[in-house]
Amino acid sequence: AQKVTQAQTEISVVEKEDVTLDCVYETRDTTYYLFWYKQPPSGELVFLIRRNSFDEQNEISGRYSWNFQKSTSSFNFTITASQVVDSAVYFCALSEGPSGGAQKLVFGQGTRLTINP
Amino acid sequence: GAVVSQHPSWVICKSGTSVKIECRSLDFQATTMFWYRQFPKQSLMLMATSNEGSKATYEQGVEKDKFLINHASLTLSTLTVTSAHPEDSSFYICSAKGQASPTDTQYFGPGTRLTVL
Repeated sequence: AQKVTQAQTEISVVEKEDVTLDCVYETRDTTYYLFWYKQPPSGELVFLIRRNSFDEQNEISGRYSWNFQKSTSSFNFTITASQVVDSAVYFCALSEGPSGGAQKLVFGQGTRLTINP
Repeated sequence: GAVVSQHPSWVICKSGTSVKIECRSLDFQATTMFWYRQFPKQSLMLMATSNEGSKATYEQGVEKDKFLINHASLTLSTLTVTSAHPEDSSFYICSAKGQASPTDTQYFGPGTRLTVL
């Protein structure tokens, strides 16, 4: 069965520090997608990144970077030089199945990140 | 692009009444829409998956007769909570998946906060 574990329930850092959010997943499928979403206090989930199981390249987007390692079933998310606006709950999610199908998302429990000024 | 709207953003109703929540994909056609429920400080729980023009598929434990889902077009899905009770109070979030890039990605609406008195 699919499972996503975000072991860090809450993280609190001071502004400008780097912070890494961990995500470990379990799946029996060879084809799957991994996602990160941000949920600010307003409640809306904001899509950050999608990675498919065949693409292990790490990605950087501004202050955000993602490290995908199939060998350890991890898809970690790092924010560099954190800012107060980064404060939110971050969810890692997994979906299985072929492209174009009605793949369900399995979410981790979320990590509440607080950036203090 | 990839904008999903929900209406209303919040609703308060009396016990025993029915409430309808709309979910619209504004700039893409959504072949599949999903409905989630989120309790405070918890992760998202998938309630049902719906494809345009067909019956929704409900997750185990979700009452079909209580949570009516209609996916009438490629841009609109509705969730009706029938005979609502206080325990139905929650944050309901929809997502849509379709032609928006990157594909196989669910884009989420801003959520609807339901309070049943």
